[in-house]
Amino acid sequence: GAGVSQSPSNKVTEKGKDVELRCDPISGHTALYWYRQSLGQGLEFLIYFQGNSAPDKSGLPSDRFSAERTGGSVSTLTIQRTQQEDSAVYLCASSLGAATSTDTQYFGPGTRLTVL
Amino acid sequence: AQSVTQPDIHITVSEGASLELRCNYSYGATPYLFWYVQSPGQGLQLLLKYFSGDTLVQGIKGFEAEFKRSQSSFNLRKPSVHWSDAAEYFCAVASGGGADGLTFGKGTHLIIQP
Repeated sequence: GAGVSQSPSNKVTEKGKDVELRCDPISGHTALYWYRQSLGQGLEFLIYFQGNSAPDKSGLPSDRFSAERTGGSVSTLTIQRTQQEDSAVYLCASSLGAATSTDTQYFGPGTRLTVL
Repeated sequence: AQSVTQPDIHITVSEGASLELRCNYSYGATPYLFWYVQSPGQGLQLLLKYFSGDTLVQGIKGFEAEFKRSQSSFNLRKPSVHWSDAAEYFCAVASGGGADGLTFGKGTHLIIQP
């Protein structure tokens, strides 16, 4: 079946603009994760959803970042007032069951965000 | 807090030669360990994972990894590499029982020489 999809694949924006990144998880997967991959920081975990609920938002880099998930499916990661340090590849992953550490996370291809 | 160290940023191996990628973790309890591979323009793909039991785990594409608690290591191996194995390899750890994300190492870039 279809894997995790993300859109857009590339996004170029100007500093100070807001951006919205979308993730479509594998159908039936209840857990959804957002990560950020950058040259300086490597792969960082940002936030996780179980259903529509995000129990811990402390991994988000700043209050300019927010995420939501509706209908237990699609998730959006919103970055307000983008800064150049937000430039990175944003990866989404989903896993089948209740999010325990034993569930395999399946990753999407990512959205490459460039802030000019 | 848990952490993962991949000491080698780049490794170059000749096609057909054996491969070992190093991974050391820091975690107080029994870790859940993973190896992922990322090819250019591709998402992360799980190669193998270890939770408990047999310390030698087999994965896809002919890869295996061995968990050594005494050395806090989870090294990835392959007996004979192929040019298509050229990619970025990430070791990751997760805590047990909680709903959290993976903590990744910085990655090892594998170059295959003809």
